[in-house]
Amino acid sequence: GNSVTQMEGPVTLSEEAFLTINCTYTATGYPSLFWYVQYPGEGLQLLLKATKADDKGSNKGFEATYRKETTSFHLEKGSVQVSDSAVYFCALGPRNTGNQFYFGTGTSLTVIP
Amino acid sequence: NAGVTQTPKFRILKIGQSMTLQCTQDMNHNYMYWYRQDPGMGLKLIYYSVGAGITDKGEVPNGYNVSRSTTEDFPLRLELAAPSQTSVYFCASSDRGASGNTIYFGEGSWLTVV
Repeated sequence: GNSVTQMEGPVTLSEEAFLTINCTYTATGYPSLFWYVQYPGEGLQLLLKATKADDKGSNKGFEATYRKETTSFHLEKGSVQVSDSAVYFCALGPRNTGNQFYFGTGTSLTVIP
Repeated sequence: NAGVTQTPKFRILKIGQSMTLQCTQDMNHNYMYWYRQDPGMGLKLIYYSVGAGITDKGEVPNGYNVSRSTTEDFPLRLELAAPSQTSVYFCASSDRGASGNTIYFGEGSWLTVV
């Protein structure tokens, strides 16, 4: 079956530090992969996505590369800001067939000045 | 650009009461979903729909009902509310485009059962 495993938090970093949040997946077929971000008191917002192997998704300085050989989609940012403090969810979704999306448990990030 | 709209944003229910969470989307998406998120936890799928007139159970359907009479609307009904249903509820919809499927979320409904 399909599942997503992501790095447990919470993660606390100083401003301008390098961020990595690990995400690995198990899937049948060829899924799309996503990172969503949830700010306090809000819903989940799409941060970036990749639809096929070796694709790199990027947005707001965040990047993640779809690695089929390691079944991974790790989120990275070179220099985090206080405003990046949020919960980050890795997700797997159908590309052509299937109905459901599968979410990791979320990783809480706090960036301190 | 409304996207997915949920109401109400906050609600307090007494044990045994019933209520409906409303959800509407204006993106003409066929797929719609209801998730719940318990404090500090991930998302659990309650129900989903692949089109008008079609619904199916997710991971945690007990205590809930849904209907999908139109493409736009996907209300979630809580019957006989219990404290275990205290949670944040998210409605979502997804496309099925050539660029890959993406799921879009509403802003959430915070429900407390006392």
